[in-house]
Amino acid sequence: GESVGLHLPTLSVQEGDNSIINCAYSNSASDYFIWYKQESGKGPQFIIDIRSNMDKRQGQRVTVLLNKTVKHLSLQIAATQPGDSAVYFCAESYSGTYKYIFGTGTRLKVLA
Amino acid sequence: GAGVSQTPSNKVTEKGKYVELRCDPISGHTALYWYRQSLGQGPEFLIYFQGTGAADDSGLPNDRFFAVRPEGSVSTLKIQRTERGDSAVYLCASSPTGGGNQPQHFGDGTRLSIL
Repeated sequence: GESVGLHLPTLSVQEGDNSIINCAYSNSASDYFIWYKQESGKGPQFIIDIRSNMDKRQGQRVTVLLNKTVKHLSLQIAATQPGDSAVYFCAESYSGTYKYIFGTGTRLKVLA
Repeated sequence: GAGVSQTPSNKVTEKGKYVELRCDPISGHTALYWYRQSLGQGPEFLIYFQGTGAADDSGLPNDRFFAVRPEGSVSTLKIQRTERGDSAVYLCASSPTGGGNQPQHFGDGTRLSIL
């Protein structure tokens, strides 16, 4: 199928290693952040979210870190698997609005 | 359970034609969103519905684009006099309520190609 993004930054990791995907957000007033995974030909799939009153949140094999001082968000994936190969997007929003502002995606390639 | 459903999955049409794209949100979700995604980019917001009304249509690029949600469930995005620049994947998302601070759940989109 058609690729989600042909010229995206790419992170290549060995299967079983940990992955860290970074995102810089734009609006200091943003108070809600979310990570999506998008496979080719599919819509974005929710991974994990975090509110601005937290700096860390953990899910199953994933952790999101938020640094409001430098407006930086990261997604850590533990024990990366081939099924994790996809494009990952961060998005931000702020109270009173409903739209997400998506960042530039990162393509994750898992090497066997 | 059923997720967000979008039809058609692909649409190819000629420049100048009219198209309708349909979105069936998750049952019970009152908030519905349309986004557009160009190749190599993240989705860009078009319009947000809370129930039957368009609460925010600030992302619609021009008056050729229009969306409706007459019964507060299914929504249709309508594009008149299509142009080649309208080619993109049109994504629909829904959430239980509006107001932000909650995940939006996306469908797989309609890939629109204008020849």
